[in-house]
Amino acid sequence: TQLLEQSPQFLSIQEGENLTVYCNSSSVFSSLQWYRQEPGEGPVLLVTVVTGGEVKKLKRLTFQFGDARKDSSLHITAAQPGDTGLYLCAANTNAGKSTFGDGTTLTVKP
Amino acid sequence: GAVVSQHPSWVICKSGTSVKIECRSLDFQATTMFWYRQFPKQSLMLMATSNEGSKATYEQGVEKDKFLINHASLTLSTLTVTSAHPEDSSFYICSASGQGRGDEQYFGPGTRLTVT
Repeated sequence: TQLLEQSPQFLSIQEGENLTVYCNSSSVFSSLQWYRQEPGEGPVLLVTVVTGGEVKKLKRLTFQFGDARKDSSLHITAAQPGDTGLYLCAANTNAGKSTFGDGTTLTVKP
Repeated sequence: GAVVSQHPSWVICKSGTSVKIECRSLDFQATTMFWYRQFPKQSLMLMATSNEGSKATYEQGVEKDKFLINHASLTLSTLTVTSAHPEDSSFYICSASGQGRGDEQYFGPGTRLTVT
């Protein structure tokens, strides 16, 4: 059973469109991170959310942590080709272990 | 801050030989380092977790005698793939976390291993 479910798995959109990626679980987490990974490189940390209901913004990216700390979403406004990559959510249990979602491969076409 | 390096970035080796991959935290003390394996267009698969000065904890299904992990200092962990076979070809990524950085992991750039 996958602890973290990401959706959609693949997303291909045109430049300028908006999109949302979801990360869901039935478990409660102490914190959750979002990463972006480009081909042939390691994941780069985008944000950490800790508090239920928390919303963080990073330029055109908006991250939200669910009130119950079981889910999160990443919303990108006016996507650009530079946003193309694999987006990964990772959640942390109180035991100090991280688990990763399956990832969302985003392609933004110019 | 929070820079992690890996060396080499890519390596090609012959079947039966061993390969060592280094992971270094450059600007912070990494109390815990993680080793992942990743197949094309897939997520990260945790192989093992290592804490400085102690034996690594391997995930189920990962052969500890084949993937030797050493975390000898707060800035260096190594992964040695012993008697490599073509099926070991993959992208190996390390990450590090440290005191004062909560649950955040900082990833190295990865190492592409090809076994011929």
